[in-house]
Amino acid sequence: EVQLVESGGALVQPGESLTLSCAASGFTFSSYWMAWVRQSPGEGLVWVADIKEDGSEKHYVDSVKGRFTISRDNAKNSLVLQMSSLRGEDTGVYYCARAGSRATYFNAWGRGSLVTVSS
Amino acid sequence: AIWMTQSPSSFSASTGDRVTITCRASQLIDSYLAWYQQKPGQAPKLLIYGASILESGVSSRFSGSESGTEFTLTISRLQSEDFGTYYCQQYYTFPTFGRGTRLEIK
Repeated sequence: EVQLVESGGALVQPGESLTLSCAASGFTFSSYWMAWVRQSPGEGLVWVADIKEDGSEKHYVDSVKGRFTISRDNAKNSLVLQMSSLRGEDTGVYYCARAGSRATYFNAWGRGSLVTVSS
Repeated sequence: AIWMTQSPSSFSASTGDRVTITCRASQLIDSYLAWYQQKPGQAPKLLIYGASILESGVSSRFSGSESGTEFTLTISRLQSEDFGTYYCQQYYTFPTFGRGTRLEIK
């Protein structure tokens, strides 16, 4: 069974940093692009970032470029999103999602991790 | 960015009904369109990709079609477990989602 389990969500103040992790199991992690998708009442679902199978290619939505970094450890079946200079508009539930390739649909999702940015 | 506009934003229907949800793209996206179902407190679940290809394990009551920039998700013979919010997503370029259609069962 495919499982994606996010962790690391928290309440932080604007300008602070936070790291989200996603533990993957039940499939060959190193064979898939992986992504982070955020959901908030204000914006709905927003693709945040994705990373190629071997980590050699990464892409970000414009609003997080220079502040967020996506990475992966295929030996540990782990996906990470490092977030810095957090803003209120970064608030939302962050889902770890499996993608078949670059810029595609998402055929497996985690349960999500809540990030709240507020003073 | 490619904008995805869904309609209606919400509606209710009865079990056994045939329902249709529409999604319009701001430009041509070929068939690079997916549909998801999301229930409260859960992650989205992939239903259809490639505009009309049913994801493995998804009920055949769900179907998708396209005409130009307009895409349609149809649920035939609505069942009580079909309640939730439905989202379309294009992947012609970096992924963008519609704002969702909330379906309530009467």
